[in-house]
Amino acid sequence: GAVVSQHPSWVICKSGTSVKIECRSLDFQATTMFWYRQFPKQSLMLMATSNEGSKATYEQGVEKDKFLINHASLTLSTLTVTSAHPEDSSFYICSALGVGTEAFFGQGTRLTVV
Amino acid sequence: AQKITQTQPGMFVQEKEAVTLDCTYDTSDQSYGLFWYKQPSSGEMIFLIYQGSYDEQNATEGRYSLNFQKARKSANLVISASQLGDSAMYFCAMREDTGTASKLTFGTGTRLQVTL
Repeated sequence: GAVVSQHPSWVICKSGTSVKIECRSLDFQATTMFWYRQFPKQSLMLMATSNEGSKATYEQGVEKDKFLINHASLTLSTLTVTSAHPEDSSFYICSALGVGTEAFFGQGTRLTVV
Repeated sequence: AQKITQTQPGMFVQEKEAVTLDCTYDTSDQSYGLFWYKQPSSGEMIFLIYQGSYDEQNATEGRYSLNFQKARKSANLVISASQLGDSAMYFCAMREDTGTASKLTFGTGTRLQVTL
């Protein structure tokens, strides 16, 4: 099946700094990618839909100035957590829609803000 | 309103037995897709099985089968011959086509523990 690579798999950063997470589709072109957030023992919550060449569509309650999404090419979307705070600590995971019906997921990024 | 409902926070099953994980959904769309994903402790989301709303046959993938009852809006996952490696979180998800893009909405998940 198709492969989506997410990097880094885990990161620890200081409060107030920014962290960039990359999501790449390795063997297919993904015009649309999705960013999810998952708190411990909870479900995946969709944060935003990233469309190549246009602005991301954010879900209600998600601060677009805090979670910057860039989808500069058909194979790369990035999520930047700006001015990170401890409450931003979470598991972030991206997915990309393939040509058919399946959504392929990255490995996820565990962010810890100290 | 919850679009995907998984009513079983946790399930236990003995090795080699079959287990059914429940999932009900809510949508007014005629065209939609239903997915099941497995999430082990490592966090990755592993695709298991897919059922399209127009598919007349229940989907099957190896030991996984989806019991699709459209009128009841349920899409239960059946795992046959459970293995210890099946212990994980299981998420049901629905794809709806909204405007220019599809997106997946997930249920709250069921933690499956396979015992000896």
